[in-house]
Amino acid sequence: QQQVKQSPQSLIVQKGGISIINCAYENTAFDYFPWYQQFPGKGPALLIAIRPDVSEKKEGRFTISFNKSAKQFSLHIMDSQPGDSATYFCAASSTNAGKSTFGDGTTLTVKP
Amino acid sequence: DVKVTQSSRYLVKRTGEKVFLECVQDMDHENMFWYRQDPGLGLRLIYFSYDVKMKEKGDIPEGYSVSREKKERFSLILESASTNQTSMYLCASSSFGVGDTQYFGPGTRLTVL
Repeated sequence: QQQVKQSPQSLIVQKGGISIINCAYENTAFDYFPWYQQFPGKGPALLIAIRPDVSEKKEGRFTISFNKSAKQFSLHIMDSQPGDSATYFCAASSTNAGKSTFGDGTTLTVKP
Repeated sequence: DVKVTQSSRYLVKRTGEKVFLECVQDMDHENMFWYRQDPGLGLRLIYFSYDVKMKEKGDIPEGYSVSREKKERFSLILESASTNQTSMYLCASSSFGVGDTQYFGPGTRLTVL
């Protein structure tokens, strides 16, 4: 049973454009929603994370938008750059649950 | 700086061999995880451990076992490797609490011939 659904599976964006990746979850006990970025040949690394007490979090060109009532959250990458080309995973977890539930990943390609 | 290391970046084994993948973290984290990553299938959890000598099955434990004798080390064992276990294996660790970010190792690309 997949508890976090991520879309799209792949995304191609022109340099300078906005990349948007969406995730939807089912478990209302989730209270931590990180996004991970993975470059080829590397392990995923935390990019940005949000908790459900806020609707938006911004770090540089990366923004998470969170809609608690719809049980959805999304990653926006403004002014996308070729260096942003990577696989992005959303995830969700409950406090002290230990493990996270990951989306299937989105492969982002930013064309110069 | 947080660090998760994996014993091998690339590994080639033959069908039927016993394979050990080692993972070490230096952050004193309680939780450790083993995932496999295949194209189009995301990160699939094989096993995880909340403490020394404790383990729980993840989503795809068949054909694998694990060992955690020390807090910092978590081993994944393929008792009899098969070709369908050819994959990228990722180890991760995290600490209990609000915002249990997982820290991943660089991965081991295992090929079973």
